[in-house]
Amino acid sequence: KAGVTQTPRYLIKTRGQQVTLSCSPISGHRSVSWYQQTPGQGLQFLFEYFSETQRNKGNFPGRFSGRQFSNSRSEMNVSTLELGDSALYLCASSPRSGGTQETQYFGPGTRLLVL
Amino acid sequence: GESVGLHLPTLSVQEGDNSIINCAYSNSASDYFIWYKQESGKGPQFIIDIRSNMDKRQGQRVTVLLNKTVKHLSLQIAATQPGDSAVYFCAENAGGTSYGKLTFGQGTILTVHP
Repeated sequence: KAGVTQTPRYLIKTRGQQVTLSCSPISGHRSVSWYQQTPGQGLQFLFEYFSETQRNKGNFPGRFSGRQFSNSRSEMNVSTLELGDSALYLCASSPRSGGTQETQYFGPGTRLLVL
Repeated sequence: GESVGLHLPTLSVQEGDNSIINCAYSNSASDYFIWYKQESGKGPQFIIDIRSNMDKRQGQRVTVLLNKTVKHLSLQIAATQPGDSAVYFCAENAGGTSYGKLTFGQGTILTVHP
C-alpha cells in the first residue's frame, strides 16, 4: 500500500497570506490527524477528522482549520499567516475501524516558511 | 518574545551496543503508547506500540517496557546500527474522546557511532 502523501512538500509564504495543505491517507484509512512540528514546541496536535467531521481539536487559534472529503482526503488551511506559523505540518492516518486508538502513520510533512 | 527551542536529550552509543531511550508520560488516563523514529527531513516512522494492559512488548530488535505506576515508558534497541541514528519520540493517547490525538514527548536524539 502507498503511504500517506502530503502536498506540497515545501512552501514559502509571506505574513498575512493564507495557505492550504493537502493530505491523502493510506488507502482504507478513514481518520486523518494533523500536527505542527517546531523546534520550540515540538510535535503538537492540531485536529482529527473522521467521516468528514472534526472529532477532536488541539489548542490552536481559529486561523487553523481543516476539512475532510468523502474519499478521506483532508486539507488544512491557515489564514492570516504569522512568522510563528513556520513549521513542519504533518498528517497522519489510521484505520478508525474500532473504538480503541489505533496506530497513526505519518506522511513526510509539508515544510512551511513564512517570511 | 523569542521562543526557546526544546533542549532534546541525547544518547550516543557505539555500533553493536544496546540502546535504552526513556520517556515519562503525563496523563494517567493514557492507555495507548507508541514509539516513533524521525530521521532528518522525514515524518515520524512507527516503531512499536503497547497498550496499558501490557507491561512489555517485543518487536524486531526493539522492546518497549511500560511502567504505569511511575508513568514511564522505555524503548530498548538491541545491537544498535548506524541506521538507527535519529530522533525518537514517545507518544500517548487517552482514548475515548481523545481519539486521534497523540501527545508527544520532546524526543531523544540517538547517535550511533560506527
